[in-house]
Amino acid sequence: DIQMTQSPSSLSASVGDRVTITCRASQSINSYLNWYQQKPGKPPKLLIYAASSLQSGVPSRFSGSGSGTAFTVTISSLQPEDFATYFCQQSYTTPRTFGQGTKVEIK
Amino acid sequence: QVQLQESGPGLVKPSETLSLTCSVSGGSINSYFWTWIRQPAGKGLEWVGRLYTSGTTNYNPSLEGRVTMSVDTSKNQFSLNLTSVSAADTAVYYCAREMGSSRGLDYWGQGTLVTVSS
Repeated sequence: DIQMTQSPSSLSASVGDRVTITCRASQSINSYLNWYQQKPGKPPKLLIYAASSLQSGVPSRFSGSGSGTAFTVTISSLQPEDFATYFCQQSYTTPRTFGQGTKVEIK
Repeated sequence: QVQLQESGPGLVKPSETLSLTCSVSGGSINSYFWTWIRQPAGKGLEWVGRLYTSGTTNYNPSLEGRVTMSVDTSKNQFSLNLTSVSAADTAVYYCAREMGSSRGLDYWGQGTLVTVSS
């Protein structure tokens, strides 16, 4: 299985901050990398697919980059509704695998 | 707007079979990958498996042959069976749609909590 490792596991930030979360794959996954946002008691929501494509309806303050084994998602100006847990997921092969999550908390 | 809804027992006894159904509305079930994902309380996401509407399936090897999935296109539903369950299978189970390798999981059900306990 391809192992996905996110960093950091958690972070504290203020409204308006620029936030970057990193995801690394244990082998090359080309650009088959997706990012999700999950709020408590809710299912994950697709934010970014294919490493850098913004899902319809997702605010443009979210952006993704990377290829191969290293990827990032950036929130350019953190908003109150962005406090949540973020997961990366590889869709290069099965079994699909997720990162362990990054919890973004209010400073 | 595509909507997914999981249904099934919320409590299953150890060693028995967990059975869940996902009903798809607002769109056709054909020509997509339909996926099950689970999440133990306070933990991360685990991909259980997926099936295509042709019947092709991919399962997580970590489930050691305990999982089967099926689809009923006439009812716009697909199902998950997980046999010989233990407390380790207690989780929120989500169904979701995947358009393919390059598109991610774009629609999700709200999730259903399944507890394995006697």
